[in-house]
Amino acid sequence: GAGVSQSPSNKVTEKGKDVELRCDPISGHTALYWYRQSLGQGLEFLIYFQGNSAPDKSGLPSDRFSAERTGGSVSTLTIQRTQQEDSAVYLCASSLGRGDRYEQYFGPGTRLTVT
Amino acid sequence: GQQVMQIPQYQHVQEGEDFTTYCNSSTTLSNIQWYKQRPGGHPVFLIQLVKSGEVKKQKRLTFQFGEAKKNSSLHITATQTTDVGTYFCAKGSDYKLSFGAGTTVTVRA
Repeated sequence: GAGVSQSPSNKVTEKGKDVELRCDPISGHTALYWYRQSLGQGLEFLIYFQGNSAPDKSGLPSDRFSAERTGGSVSTLTIQRTQQEDSAVYLCASSLGRGDRYEQYFGPGTRLTVT
Repeated sequence: GQQVMQIPQYQHVQEGEDFTTYCNSSTTLSNIQWYKQRPGGHPVFLIQLVKSGEVKKQKRLTFQFGEAKKNSSLHITATQTTDVGTYFCAKGSDYKLSFGAGTTVTVRA
């Protein structure tokens, strides 16, 4: 596709359940980022992948959050034992190179609601 | 890391008027990026500023990087309803962007 895609677009889950969010970056983009955006708030960095390097997990809020990127392309963000405070829009972005020097292209996001 | 502070948080503008939103840092920035997020949408890249004192224009939008590289501004002239949304600045460091809280712009027709 032409842009970053994310699935599902919406996810409603019960507290305590695990969820998996998917991101398909733009082909050829080596950098991939996950952000969290709560209602009316800014973007909170979660995790960053660059090529085959070890990911920068410094933004993950707890050990319930994990992410992987397979084959340098698709990424999944997993939240275990979801809590109500996990409700937010989860955004994925990719960039051609270093995401602090190159434009980041964002996907449409996954809106997660934990009931 | 140190965040960038954006002011004002909200900007209510009469259509046709000009306004400016500011992005401030307590530390010297290597670069600054600006993004726009329309209501219900995702952030879209607008511009990147790298050089001290740099000024870039995109139609009615003028972006400026301060001489000391500690602040940046976005000035919009003759505001239109299409300018509605939240404007974020983001500082680049350590392969990551740190986003400000944004300035949310509403326009009165």
